[in-house]
Amino acid sequence: GENVEQHPSTLSVQEGDSAVIKCTYSDSASNYFPWYKQELGKRPQLIIDIRSNVGEKKDQRIAVTLNKTAKHFSLHITETQPEDSAVYFCAAVGGMDSSYKLIFGSGTRLLVRP
Amino acid sequence: DTGVSQDPRHKITKRGQNVTFRCDPISEHNRLYWYRQTLGQGPEFLTYFQNEAQLEKSRLLSDRFSAERPKGSFSTLEIQRTEQGDSAMYLCASRSQGYTGELFFGEGSRLTVL
Repeated sequence: GENVEQHPSTLSVQEGDSAVIKCTYSDSASNYFPWYKQELGKRPQLIIDIRSNVGEKKDQRIAVTLNKTAKHFSLHITETQPEDSAVYFCAAVGGMDSSYKLIFGSGTRLLVRP
Repeated sequence: DTGVSQDPRHKITKRGQNVTFRCDPISEHNRLYWYRQTLGQGPEFLTYFQNEAQLEKSRLLSDRFSAERPKGSFSTLEIQRTEQGDSAMYLCASRSQGYTGELFFGEGSRLTVL
């Protein structure tokens, strides 16, 4: 079935350092890969996404890379700040024949130490 | 607030009772999704509506769960004969037509079954 694996489950970095979160997906038909940030007690919110016709996308301190052949994609956060501390979820679109539902990874808890 | 709204935000119930959650999506969004999120995990897909039609249900959705979206507007998720394992955050999300548009989440309805 459709599955998204995410690692690491926790990540602690010093403020100003970079953070990298990696995901793999199983459905080769998937062609849309968003990343969501969820702060404690809040709703998940989209921070960046990438489509399969693009290998890399950047938005200020955040970038996402995609390797469709290997079926993996990564989130890169540079110059981390304490407000980046949150849980990050990768996702891949599934149900390509109908629902286009998002299949989420299990999340990475990022802690940025001041 | 023109985002996705959910009600109630918190529900505490005794095992065996029935509960119902309501979701009001963003008004122009015809695609509506229900997800379940437990502590430390990513959102798990439960069911999908396109307008008023329920087009996909997860195997996670036992026969104690039922969802509706009359008239293609708000949606309800009912859990009958609740069990302790039903304790979770129930998230509703909506998006407009297509699969690459942002999936907007509500704040969720947290269910605690005693």
